[in-house]
Amino acid sequence: EAGVAQSPRYKIIEKRQSVAFWCNPISGHATLYWYQQILGQGPKLLIQFQNNGVVDDSQLPKDRFSAERLKGVDSTLKIQPAKLEDSAVYLCASAVGEKLFFGSGTQLSVL
Amino acid sequence: GQQVMQIPQYQHVQEGEDFTTYCNSSTTLSNIQWYKQRPGGHPVFLIQLVKSGEVKKQKRLTFQFGEAKKNSSLHITATQTTDVGTYFCAQETSGSRLTFGEGTQLTVNP
Repeated sequence: EAGVAQSPRYKIIEKRQSVAFWCNPISGHATLYWYQQILGQGPKLLIQFQNNGVVDDSQLPKDRFSAERLKGVDSTLKIQPAKLEDSAVYLCASAVGEKLFFGSGTQLSVL
Repeated sequence: GQQVMQIPQYQHVQEGEDFTTYCNSSTTLSNIQWYKQRPGGHPVFLIQLVKSGEVKKQKRLTFQFGEAKKNSSLHITATQTTDVGTYFCAQETSGSRLTFGEGTQLTVNP
């Protein structure tokens, strides 16, 4: 079974630039999550989708972050404009039941 | 908001020694999950505990859920270098949001 696919694997940008991350969940998984993991910390939920609807985006900084999940499959997470404190690994996960399957993440460095 | 506290933050052991990490909550948990993240890797699901007092084993790993469902522990017997990584507990909060603790980073000296 193919896992959760994410791209790019690494991204380096300067502050105030824009960046987008892509996620393809495991086939058939209706629930999709985006987590932010700052070095040395646990993953922090940014947004949760059920099919193509948003279930929870209460911790998403909506002034600069946006996410969509068109057709209930792939998802993109965008940051515009990026700040230095956005440097982190952005993890996508999909779920069946309560068990989450994570992708390898995108490591973002904002200079 | 609700948060699980994990202790210790770091643990260094000699290969063959035992290791335990604890997860504590001020509120009653509906369930708790444990994940392992290898250095440079992503979190991988280990187990979910649901019942009060539940104990589950996976080879050298023993997971416990407290009687009051406010705490949980992960115990590794006779650690190996392959056990290196960060162990996270995660609790389900409002709207099925999964909230992770800060993790316990385990290093094993051969």
